[in-house]
Amino acid sequence: GNSVTQMEGPVTLSEEAFLTINCTYTATGYPSLFWYVQYPGEGLQLLLKATKADDKGSNKGFEATYRKETTSFHLEKGSVQVSDSAVYFCALTPFGGSQGNLIFGKGTKLSVKP
Amino acid sequence: GAGVSQSPRYKVAKRGQDVALRCDPISGHVSLFWYQQALGQGPEFLTYFQNEAQLDKSGLPSDRFFAERPEGSVSTLKIQRTQQEDSAVYLCASTPPGNYEQYFGPGTRLTVT
Repeated sequence: GNSVTQMEGPVTLSEEAFLTINCTYTATGYPSLFWYVQYPGEGLQLLLKATKADDKGSNKGFEATYRKETTSFHLEKGSVQVSDSAVYFCALTPFGGSQGNLIFGKGTKLSVKP
Repeated sequence: GAGVSQSPRYKVAKRGQDVALRCDPISGHVSLFWYQQALGQGPEFLTYFQNEAQLDKSGLPSDRFFAERPEGSVSTLKIQRTQQEDSAVYLCASTPPGNYEQYFGPGTRLTVT
């Protein structure tokens, strides 16, 4: 079946620290991979995506590379800010670029302290 | 422009009551998804519409859950005879034609007492 596993939180970092949130997936086909972010009191927002192996998604200083050989899509940021405090969800659509429902990980809560 | 809106934002229901949750997608968005997010978990797929057609309802947990989108725009998720395990945030998302990015609403938090 299709599933997403991401590192458990919460993760607490100081401002300007390096961030990695691990995500691995299981999929029967060639999925598209996503990171969504949920800021306090707000809805889920797409942070970045990658649709095929070796693609790198990037946005707002965050990056993630689609690694087919390790079935991973780890989220990284070189220098986090207090405003990055949120819950981060790794997700996939099983059918590649076509429309389909998202399968989410459980989420990782990030708290950044000044 | 306006995003996906959901109403009510919060709903408290006594066990056994019926509830109806509304989703207004972004105008022109063809696909609409419903998800259920339990506390501390990621969202889980419930059902999917393309225009007015319900193409996938495999995620609905029981026959107490029913969704409709009769005119291909607004959608309603109805839960009959609510149970405590139905307590969750219900998320709606819509997708424009030819694009798989899902735009999420703020959710409805349902608490069954």
